[in-house]
Amino acid sequence: AQSVTQLDSQVPVFEEAPVELRCNYSSSVSVYLFWYVQYPNQGLQLLLKYLSGSTLVKGINGFEAEFNKSQTSFHLRKPSVHISDTAEYFCAVILTGGGNKLTFGTGTQLKVEL
Amino acid sequence: GAVVSQHPSRVICKSGTSVKIECRSLDFQATTMFWYRQFPKQSLMLMATSNEGSKATYEQGVEKDKFLINHASLTLSTLTVTSAHPEDSSFYICSARSQRGGRETQYFGPGTRLLVL
Repeated sequence: AQSVTQLDSQVPVFEEAPVELRCNYSSSVSVYLFWYVQYPNQGLQLLLKYLSGSTLVKGINGFEAEFNKSQTSFHLRKPSVHISDTAEYFCAVILTGGGNKLTFGTGTQLKVEL
Repeated sequence: GAVVSQHPSRVICKSGTSVKIECRSLDFQATTMFWYRQFPKQSLMLMATSNEGSKATYEQGVEKDKFLINHASLTLSTLTVTSAHPEDSSFYICSARSQRGGRETQYFGPGTRLLVL
């Protein structure tokens, strides 16, 4: 079975500071990895995804994530956050050959403060 | 980008009544749509996969007679919560799969908050 773990339910950070949101997955086979962002009262928006190739993936709004197979991690990073980055962030995986079903982590609330 | 809408955005109903939630892909056709349920402070849980023109595929533990799904057109899927009870109160989110230009992407709706009294 596959699962996704987001260890931090909340991450407070000051504006212009760097941030890392952690995501670990458990799967014995290859996976596709995703990060989604959910702003208040809005749907989920895809930030970035890893399917294959370079392990460092760049997404929208200055975010990037690195796929680390040995540590089964896909942490999300941004070097300098803005107030507008305050939102809920979800890590998700798709098990290859598993019908393209997304399995989500529990989410991390990023709160950017002045 | 592609847009997926849901209606209503929130609904309050009495216990025992049925509630219908609509999910529409506004600028693309979606042969496959997904319905998720999200409890507070928890992850999105896939309830079912809705396929246009055929029966929905339900995840283990989801009652298909309780959560009726209809995907009658390439742009509309509906979820009906039948005989709703307070424990059905939740945030329901749909997504639609786009296959434009040979690339597959899932777009999410804004969600519907259901409160059953």
